Amino acid sequence: DVKVTQSSRYLVKRTGEKVFLECVQDMDHENMFWYRQDPGLGLRLIYFSYDVKMKEKGDIPEGYSVSREKKERFSLILESASTNQTSMYLCASSSRLAPYGYTFGSGTRLTVV
Amino acid sequence: DAKTTQPPSMDCAEGRAANLPCNHSTISGNEYVYWYRQIHSQGPQYIIHGLKNNETNEMASLIITEDRKSSTLILPHATLRDTAVYYCIVMLTDSWGKLQFGAGTQVVVTP
Repeated sequence: DVKVTQSSRYLVKRTGEKVFLECVQDMDHENMFWYRQDPGLGLRLIYFSYDVKMKEKGDIPEGYSVSREKKERFSLILESASTNQTSMYLCASSSRLAPYGYTFGSGTRLTVV
Repeated sequence: DAKTTQPPSMDCAEGRAANLPCNHSTISGNEYVYWYRQIHSQGPQYIIHGLKNNETNEMASLIITEDRKSSTLILPHATLRDTAVYYCIVMLTDSWGKLQFGAGTQVVVTP
């Protein structure tokens, strides 16, 4: 069964910590995406990548960075975690041949205290 | 990208067909209609998409009006596991595939 795997389901971090959220897909997809989801705000795109070492800002990139050193792995980095980054983080991937046919991971619920 | 309008919520009886409407009156000729759903505490799941013609797969049917200004997602025999938020998204196809999710419709299937 094809999969997008996010490394942690729940994560609690302290304010100011550097946080890494990892996402791995096994479908050889070119495109990968990071969204955050908050009540009343829906899903918002943070960053996406359409190839190894390529990245593009989404709608809310402030406070985040990303890394894509290998095709299957897309990491979201919170350089200095803040309480307003408490959220559900969702990773997705899609093929260049079917760019809108996303496969999502199960999400990481991050709490910053 | 065209904006979509969906009802915030709807109920459906188990075993009945669920018809989920979506208005996209500003859709342009080369924009596709995509449907996703998100079951509580899970990531969204792709359901179906179409351009002009009606589409059907193992999950649902998509009916797009002739003027393409609205569409309906049909779940033919709703089950309790179909309770979810359903998103209708209209996007211009490009290779990047940047999806913009709206508020969606909360569908509750009741026994």
